[in-house]
Amino acid sequence: QITLKESGPTLVKPTQTLSLTCSFSGLSLSTTTVGVGWIRQPPGKALEWLALIYWDDDERYNPSLKNRLSFTKDFSKNQMVLTMTNMDPAETGTYYCALCPPFTGCEDWGQGMQVAVSS
Amino acid sequence: DIQMTQSPSTLSASVGDRVTITCRASQSLSHWVAWYQQKPGKAPTLLIYKASIVHSGVPSRFSGSGSGTEFSLTISSLQPDDVATYYCQQYNSYFPFGGGTKVEIK
Repeated sequence: QITLKESGPTLVKPTQTLSLTCSFSGLSLSTTTVGVGWIRQPPGKALEWLALIYWDDDERYNPSLKNRLSFTKDFSKNQMVLTMTNMDPAETGTYYCALCPPFTGCEDWGQGMQVAVSS
Repeated sequence: DIQMTQSPSTLSASVGDRVTITCRASQSLSHWVAWYQQKPGKAPTLLIYKASIVHSGVPSRFSGSGSGTEFSLTISSLQPDDVATYYCQQYNSYFPFGGGTKVEIK
């Protein structure tokens, strides 16, 4: 059974950098043909796609956020870290990571974690 | 950027009704569209991918169709458990979501 879990700070100050970790079990990132996606959702609003990285290091970013996002992979820990710079209070919400194999959409999702951006 | 426009934003129907949600893309996507269901306080779950392929374990009352720029999700017989918000997503080269459709029971 594949499980994903997001972790990181629940509160960051405006202009600070947010680093979120997605930890996997039930598969190995180093041997699995997948993409790992990040999605967020402000309270009461729609899903917003942030970024996705494939196993072959093909990286895709939301064009409006591209300059603020980066990935770090740690295959030995089966983890992936998304970093977002210059956070704004309007980016408060729930942040999800998901497994998104090529051509099939995002099949498995983490439970999501709440992140507040406030001084 | 490719924009995904969903309609309606809210839908109220009776149990047993046939319900259809539409998603229009600003550019042709071939068939690279997925549909998700999200219940309050929960992560989304995949219903349909490649426009019309039903994901494993999804009830047969859910179906998808379309290609190019117009896609639809249909629930053939609405059930109380289907109360949720539904999102389309394109995954051609980028992966934006539509604005969502909230489905309620009348």
